[in-house]
Amino acid sequence: KNQVEQSPQSLIILEGKNCTLQCNYTVSPFSNLRWYKQDTGRGPVSLTIMTFSENTKSNGRYTATLDADTKQSSLHITASQLSDSASYICVVDGGTASKLTFGTGTRLQVTL
Amino acid sequence: GAVVSQHPSWVICKSGTSVKIECRSLDFQATTMFWYRQFPKQSLMLMATSNEGSKATYEQGVEKDKFLINHASLTLSTLTVTSAHPEDSSFYICSARARDAVYNEQFFGPGTRLTVL
Repeated sequence: KNQVEQSPQSLIILEGKNCTLQCNYTVSPFSNLRWYKQDTGRGPVSLTIMTFSENTKSNGRYTATLDADTKQSSLHITASQLSDSASYICVVDGGTASKLTFGTGTRLQVTL
Repeated sequence: GAVVSQHPSWVICKSGTSVKIECRSLDFQATTMFWYRQFPKQSLMLMATSNEGSKATYEQGVEKDKFLINHASLTLSTLTVTSAHPEDSSFYICSARARDAVYNEQFFGPGTRLTVL
């Protein structure tokens, strides 16, 4: 069964600190892995997309890594801001003929 | 960038009534649109996939007669929740994908909060 597991479930950090979110997946076939940010009451917004051959991709203060051998990914947030408070969802895409497999997300709260 | 809109952003209705939610791709042609439902503190659950001009494909456990989906044009899909009940209260999110989308990427709408009294 295709699964995407994320950890931690929730996280509270102080503004300005860094944090790393984890994603482990067992999805086959594999086309790409995506990280989304979802603000409360809003739709997901794409942060990064990585294919099998990519092992790191950055988008501003967000840096995602992918280890396709161990089927693990991480999302590193640098110098967190209050506006980073949101749910971060790891999603694996099996390709055009497949559905997306969503993780349950990590709820991040950035505080003063 | 690719923009997907939804209307309304929130709706409150009485039990037994029908509610229509619109999903539009504003700056690209969406050959495929997806409808998701999200309950509090849970991730998105795919309800159905629709291709322009053809019938939607529903996920197991989703009643097609209750959740009517129409994808009549390349920029518009609608989800109608018929005879809504309180258990249908949820956050409904659509996404849209272009024909030759890079990375097979879907772009998500902002969601519609449905509350059934």
